[in-house]
Amino acid sequence: TQLLEQSPQFLSIQEGENLTVYCNSSSVFSSLQWYRQEPGEGPVLLVTVVTGGEVKKLKRLTFQFGDARKDSSLHITAAQPGDTGLYLCAGEGETSGSRLTFGEGTQLTVNP
Amino acid sequence: EAGVTQFPSHSVIEKGQTVTLRCDPISGHDNLYWYRRVMGKEIKFLLHFVKESKQDESGMPNNRFLAERTGGTYSTLKVQPAELEDSGVYFCASSHVRGVGYTFGSGTRLTVV
Repeated sequence: TQLLEQSPQFLSIQEGENLTVYCNSSSVFSSLQWYRQEPGEGPVLLVTVVTGGEVKKLKRLTFQFGDARKDSSLHITAAQPGDTGLYLCAGEGETSGSRLTFGEGTQLTVNP
Repeated sequence: EAGVTQFPSHSVIEKGQTVTLRCDPISGHDNLYWYRRVMGKEIKFLLHFVKESKQDESGMPNNRFLAERTGGTYSTLKVQPAELEDSGVYFCASSHVRGVGYTFGSGTRLTVV
């Protein structure tokens, strides 16, 4: 069974601070996706990384896929209250078809 | 384009009753997935359709759950009879190409009392 450990579970910071969310596994993933979920809504895809060592940037968000494709991180620079939400990582296994293994999520609160 | 639509958004039923959840994927998306999040746990895969065929149903908890996708368009997920542990949020997602990021619906929050 593939597992994705996501940390931290909760994060409360002040506007303007930087933060990093981590997803780690002992399994290799063919791709790693990051989602953001608002209350009462489904997860919304932010980015997909597929190559070991890949770095993708989305405005103030930087996503990195580990060289061994077993871990990933999401870094937010100068967080804003609008970044508040639940961030989820999800991996597609090399042998699991296209089903996703999700982390438990990081609930981020950015205080003004 | 319209997103993934799920109905109902909420359902409260008694233990032993039957509930049917519906998902309308994005038009033209052959791949349709069902996922579930129970309280305090991560989102977990239930099954995957490619058009009307079940590609992978390894995540279905037991035979009280039946998913169908007749005609390869919308899908239904029936729980019969419902048990307390079936409570959670059921998400549907669709994609045009396998392995590319999915579009999720808003989910159906199922409460079994």
